[in-house]
Amino acid sequence: GEDVEQSLFLSVREGDSSVINCTYTDSSSTYLYWYKQEPGAGLQLLTYIFSNMDMKQDQRLTVLLNKKDKHLSLRIADTQTGDSAIYFCAENPGGSSASKIIFGSGTRLSIRP
Amino acid sequence: DTGVSQDPRHKITKRGQNVTFRCDPISEHNRLYWYRQTLGQGPEFLTYFQNEAQLEKSRLLSDRFSAERPKGSFSTLEIQRTEQGDSAMYLCASSLSVAGGKLETQYFGPGTRLLVL
Repeated sequence: GEDVEQSLFLSVREGDSSVINCTYTDSSSTYLYWYKQEPGAGLQLLTYIFSNMDMKQDQRLTVLLNKKDKHLSLRIADTQTGDSAIYFCAENPGGSSASKIIFGSGTRLSIRP
Repeated sequence: DTGVSQDPRHKITKRGQNVTFRCDPISEHNRLYWYRQTLGQGPEFLTYFQNEAQLEKSRLLSDRFSAERPKGSFSTLEIQRTEQGDSAMYLCASSLSVAGGKLETQYFGPGTRLLVL
């Protein structure tokens, strides 16, 4: 089946690293995504990783993929107040020709001063 | 602004009424998607179009829901005989489908928030 699981909440101190974890079920997913949703704003693609990679770094963001365990993580270095948002892990089941994206329930990241 | 736009942004209706939402995708995008997002959940896929053809529908899309994209540009999503369980954010996204298995980024609109009383 198609399912993406992630923890619902994460609270970190400003300046620390945030790590959001996710597990997915469809091993044929070609891309795995992290989307960010801020209050009153649309869903924004934050970063993605191709399934044949195990790590991708993009400025403060690091994505790690363990394809064997179907585990994806997003690390945000030096977390800032502007990083407060809901972060969704997502996959495209069925490979590169697939259309729909399956989202997790989202992890709400809150920043403590 | 050349992003995905949706209209209206908010809609309050009484149970049993029909509602229609509109989505205008990014102009050169050939694929258009509808998702529904309820409180505390991630978006759930409803349906998608490639140009004017509706290629996939989720089991979530009951017979009270109908979506169209008549000219391959804007799309409408109609809900007939609304129920309180239809209350949700309805999100539209668009993408440019390319060959070769390359990343096809879906760009999301701001959504239409529906409240059924």
